[in-house]
Amino acid sequence: KAGVTQTPRYLIKTRGQQVTLSCSPISGHRSVSWYQQTPGQGLQFLFEYFSETQRNKGNFPGRFSGRQFSNSRSEMNVSTLELGDSALYLCASSLGAGGFLAKNIQYFGAGTRLSVL
Amino acid sequence: AQTVTQSQPEMSVQEAETVTLSCTYDTSESNYYLFWYKQPPSRQMILVIRQEAYKQQNATENRFSVNFQKAAKSFSLKISDSQLGDTAMYFCAFWETGNQFYFGTGTSLTVIP
Repeated sequence: KAGVTQTPRYLIKTRGQQVTLSCSPISGHRSVSWYQQTPGQGLQFLFEYFSETQRNKGNFPGRFSGRQFSNSRSEMNVSTLELGDSALYLCASSLGAGGFLAKNIQYFGAGTRLSVL
Repeated sequence: AQTVTQSQPEMSVQEAETVTLSCTYDTSESNYYLFWYKQPPSRQMILVIRQEAYKQQNATENRFSVNFQKAAKSFSLKISDSQLGDTAMYFCAFWETGNQFYFGTGTSLTVIP
């Protein structure tokens, strides 16, 4: 079974631009979560989608948005990029429903490294 | 709000030795779940071990075990017989039903040959 796929792996943008990151979860997984990883800050939760609905949202400005499609693939969008948005963005998928194991075993992608110049 | 604290940014251990990574958390809930994730230099994060708060017995997965102290809100990871492949960033994480995952800032572990 294929793992979580994130595209692109690397991205370079300039301030003020907009960017869209993509995540394809493991087949059968309905939950997709997004995280921002920066040195010293660890992983900061952005949002979680389950069956095309946002289920949880972290403490990020409205410039960060996401969506999930009917096939569970998810996209994350960042508008009006700032230098501080430079980070590794990780996507994780899980079954998302059912018992403890189904809800909580998250499988991570390799991430998208975003550099804002 | 829940917080997860890893007070050791970097650690090193000799190959075949034992090392313990610390993690503390803060919550007012009584039922929750704790995890240790490993992120090798290739960046793919993988689950190492998990613990359910209502279970008193410490979780064990081969060379990895935890010391879960619920009253102290402490959740440390012990790696026995350290191997070169254990070199990675280790993240402690917290989750409760209906909520999001909270991760610590990570501990960078280097296994020295």
